[in-house]
Amino acid sequence: KQEVTQIPAALSVPEGENLVLNCSFTDSAIYNLQWFRQDPGKGLTSLLLIQSSQREQTSGRLNASLDKSSGRSTLYIAASQPGDSATYLCAVNTGNQFYFGTGTSLTVIP
Amino acid sequence: NAGVTQTPKFQVLKTGQSMTLQCAQDMNHEYMSWYRQDPGMGLRLIHYSVGAGITDQGEVPNGYNVSRSTTEDFPLRLLSAAPSQTSVYFCASSYDRWGAYGYTFGSGTRLTVV
Repeated sequence: KQEVTQIPAALSVPEGENLVLNCSFTDSAIYNLQWFRQDPGKGLTSLLLIQSSQREQTSGRLNASLDKSSGRSTLYIAASQPGDSATYLCAVNTGNQFYFGTGTSLTVIP
Repeated sequence: NAGVTQTPKFQVLKTGQSMTLQCAQDMNHEYMSWYRQDPGMGLRLIHYSVGAGITDQGEVPNGYNVSRSTTEDFPLRLLSAAPSQTSVYFCASSYDRWGAYGYTFGSGTRLTVV
């Protein structure tokens, strides 16, 4: 069974700092990986989708990388802002379903 | 606006009661799924459907039923609610089972069973 781990579980940074969130998965046979953002009491908002043949994707201040062979992905957030405070989830698709990590709770301090 | 709509947003049930959580999408997605989210456990797949008339079980299917009579709708039925089913339920859809264009999630249903 696919296992997805996110480290750290929680992270607190001052505003303006660049930061990296980590995601690892045990089975490299994936179709794609998706990063989501979840605000308290809300649903999941898609941030970036990386296909298994891709190495990275960028959207604004966000950059996600994928190293399928080593089972790792990182989400890089540049120039963090208080509005970035949320829980970030990564999920890998193995066909028929996504397997989710338990997330990294990010707090950006003004 | 195109997306996934879940109703109700909140629900309190007594043990033993039954109910249906509704999920509808207007993106003509073939794949739909139900997840539950519990503290410290992440999201876990309950049931999924790869098209109208086709459903299958996920990781935690016990106590839940689904059917898919149309492309748009994928209701989740709790047959006899138990306190262990207290959770937040999310419906998600995608163009295909491989999530080629990613998943779109509904806003969730927060269920409490007392």
